[in-house]
Amino acid sequence: QQQVKQSPQSLIVQKGGISIINCAYENTAFDYFPWYQQFPGKGPALLIAIRPDVSEKKEGRFTISFNKSAKQFSLHIMDSQPGDSATYFCAASIFLIQGAQKLVFGQGTRLTINP
Amino acid sequence: GAVVSQHPSRVICKSGTSVKIECRSLDFQATTMFWYRQFPKQSLMLMATSNEGSKATYEQGVEKDKFLINHASLTLSTLTVTSAHPEDSSFYICSAAYRYNEQFFGPGTRLTVL
Repeated sequence: QQQVKQSPQSLIVQKGGISIINCAYENTAFDYFPWYQQFPGKGPALLIAIRPDVSEKKEGRFTISFNKSAKQFSLHIMDSQPGDSATYFCAASIFLIQGAQKLVFGQGTRLTINP
Repeated sequence: GAVVSQHPSRVICKSGTSVKIECRSLDFQATTMFWYRQFPKQSLMLMATSNEGSKATYEQGVEKDKFLINHASLTLSTLTVTSAHPEDSSFYICSAAYRYNEQFFGPGTRLTVL
């Protein structure tokens, strides 16, 4: 129930195309869904996040679509660029008693944008 | 965004030695710090959660006597890998959060045990 399932494992997209990564969860207690971008040898960085009361959130070329009934959410990267080549992780969080969020990460998607 | 640093960025040690990794929140007070472990081409796995001044909460399967966590202040947490062995070689990442806000991640520490 604590798992977040992410697909695909790897993705190759041509420059200028749309990259789409999907995630699914089971635990309805999750209430915050962030996406992280990680470059090799670096820590993950927050890209965009959504709460379940919203069905879509857009920030620049990045959009999260959220389907609460299906318990699925996805990341769309429009006009994908070679600099977007990285590993992307979806996550879901629940609040701890201490007041912080505990993140559960998906398996990751290695995205390659071909020039 | 807030900045979290880790030191060292890389460490190579001999089997049987202990290694300490520091995690600092540079421009905010972190009520909670988290330690993750990431093997090559795999996801981040939460090892433990720590709050300033209290004992860390370890995830199931993580040996608390092997991975000692100290959250001495609102800006510093340390992870000590005791009697390290080659199977402990991994990328260790910390994150810090203030109350209910988002976690900010450090740049990670690459540990190699020979």
